[in-house]
Amino acid sequence: GNSVTQMEGPVTLSEEAFLTINCTYTATGYPSLFWYVQYPGEGLQLLLKATKADDKGSNKGFEATYRKETTSFHLEKGSVQVSDSAVYFCAQVSGNTGKLIFGQGTTLQVKP
Amino acid sequence: DGGITQSPKYLFRKEGQNVTLSCEQNLNHDAMYWYRQDPGQGLRLIYYSQIVNDFQKGDIAEGYSVSREKKESFPLTVTSAQKNPTAFYLCASSDKRGTEAFFGQGTRLTVV
Repeated sequence: GNSVTQMEGPVTLSEEAFLTINCTYTATGYPSLFWYVQYPGEGLQLLLKATKADDKGSNKGFEATYRKETTSFHLEKGSVQVSDSAVYFCAQVSGNTGKLIFGQGTTLQVKP
Repeated sequence: DGGITQSPKYLFRKEGQNVTLSCEQNLNHDAMYWYRQDPGQGLRLIYYSQIVNDFQKGDIAEGYSVSREKKESFPLTVTSAQKNPTAFYLCASSDKRGTEAFFGQGTRLTVV
């Protein structure tokens, strides 16, 4: 079945470092892909999305490109801040139901 | 402001009791979802509903029940049959199939 796999965390970086969180998916067809962010004790917020191959989603300095050749949707940011510390989830939409299939989440810790 | 409201934020339940978590949305979304989140894990789908008076089981429906009598509301009941109910519960809604989901702030349920 469809699935999403993320790199395991925690990822610990110094402020202003470059961030990459890997995400790969398995799916029938070409589902829309998403990155969500969760701050401690809160719900999930949509960070960015891409709906078709080669689309690049971007928001708040974060970017991810939908790569159908490698079935990947890696999250990147050129210079992280302490305020970026959170849990990041990669997800895809399953078929026609709208159900989201999530990766296990990657915790990012940014130190000053 | 449009959004999804979950209540309460924290909930304590004695073993053997049923408890109902509230989820209300004013986004005019057709689809609504309940997810469960355990520490260090991704989100698992409990139930979802794509239209009023209809809902389907997700991956971990045992011990839970839902209703969808109104478009705006999708309450989740955690029954005494759920053996390990302590978790963070997230409600979400979406418009068209394949679009992003919007999440509430979550309810943290603890069995005491």
